[in-house]
Amino acid sequence: GENVEQHPSTLSVQEGDSAVIKCTYSDSASNYFPWYKQELGKGPQLIIDIRSNVGEKKDQRIAVTLNKTAKHFSLHITETQPEDSAVYFCAASIRSGGYQKVTFGTGTKLQVIP
Amino acid sequence: DTGVSQDPRHKITKRGQNVTFRCDPISEHNRLYWYRQTLGQGPEFLTYFQNEAQLEKSRLLSDRFSAERPKGSFSTLEIQRTEQGDSAMYLCASSLAWGQHNEQFFGPGTRLTVL
Repeated sequence: GENVEQHPSTLSVQEGDSAVIKCTYSDSASNYFPWYKQELGKGPQLIIDIRSNVGEKKDQRIAVTLNKTAKHFSLHITETQPEDSAVYFCAASIRSGGYQKVTFGTGTKLQVIP
Repeated sequence: DTGVSQDPRHKITKRGQNVTFRCDPISEHNRLYWYRQTLGQGPEFLTYFQNEAQLEKSRLLSDRFSAERPKGSFSTLEIQRTEQGDSAMYLCASSLAWGQHNEQFFGPGTRLTVL
């Protein structure tokens, strides 16, 4: 089955700096890569996603890149703010039967220091 | 609030007891998923429903676990004879069946502690 690795497990940055989280996946059939933010006591919330036919996508301060050949994808957060502090999960999704089966990475705890 | 809701939010039980959790998906979503999340890990897929039909179950879902979605709306997850290893956050998510990638919307989870 799909295996998703995520690094680093923890990341501390100064407010205003950039943060980068990197993931790799194993199954070349994966075609959709969502990123989730999970705050304490809450469920994961989708913040951005990218499809396998796209190399890069940007939404305000957040961008994702995908290298299908290397099976790498990354999340970039610019101008970090204290409210960006949370656990971030990457995921790889593959069509299985009639639905998209999602495999999550192990998470990155981001701390933005004011 | 029209998001996914779960009840209870927290459950503490003694080993050997049975527990049942409920998930109410977003009303127009016909797909519903259960995940388990342990500390420091990402969510792990347990099972998936389309309407009332349970279409896939993970090997993580032992025979002590059973999930239902009787009318294609809310779902329940029951764990019988709980063990300490069952302690985790149980997350429910829902999505629409159409659309290429079926974004999953998660509920707040039920945190289970087995003593």
